[in-house]
Amino acid sequence: GQQLNQSPQSMFIQEGEDVSMNCTSSSIFNTWLWYKQDPGEGPVLLIALYKAGELTSNGRLTAQFGITRKDSFLNISASIPSDVGIYFCAATGGSYIPTFGRGTSLIVHP
Amino acid sequence: SQTIHQWPATLVQPVGSPLSLECTVEGTSNPNLYWYRQAAGRGLQLLFYSVGIGQISSEVPQNLSASRPQDRQFILSSKKLLLSDSGFYLCAWSEDRGHQETQYFGPGTRLLVL
Repeated sequence: GQQLNQSPQSMFIQEGEDVSMNCTSSSIFNTWLWYKQDPGEGPVLLIALYKAGELTSNGRLTAQFGITRKDSFLNISASIPSDVGIYFCAATGGSYIPTFGRGTSLIVHP
Repeated sequence: SQTIHQWPATLVQPVGSPLSLECTVEGTSNPNLYWYRQAAGRGLQLLFYSVGIGQISSEVPQNLSASRPQDRQFILSSKKLLLSDSGFYLCAWSEDRGHQETQYFGPGTRLLVL
């Protein structure tokens, strides 16, 4: 079945550093989504990408829909302590059921 | 704008007791609705999804069931809870954008079965 390989699994960085995480798959998708989940809360949609090659920013966050439609990355610039959380990628490809990555746990040291 | 609600936020139940978790969506019509379970803060496991009233699809065999009595209401139930049913339950909704589904999650329910 479809799978998303999300990496890295975890990151420990200093405040102010830039962060990069990505998701890859052997399958083609129509939509790539990036979520952030704080402890004890539901995932919140950060960025949605609907077109291959699309590059979208949301504040300090930037994400791209890979041109092959098989991958996506999320960058966070100048990290701050409130960036701490688990980041999930997800992708959909013509069905009602998204495929999710296993998440990247981000810890930011002040 | 659309909002999604789940309740209760936290629940502690004894083994063998029944369960009913409720999810409602406001500000949209005919949404696709989903129930997920998340263990240990990682890995979203899809339990059920629904594309319309009374239409439920189950992704994994288990001790749980789901119902959709109204267009924007999705209920997760169990007749007898097991210890292994403990976890964080998330409801989500999406709009059918023509093969470009975008999901939005509720705040979640923390269930502890003792």
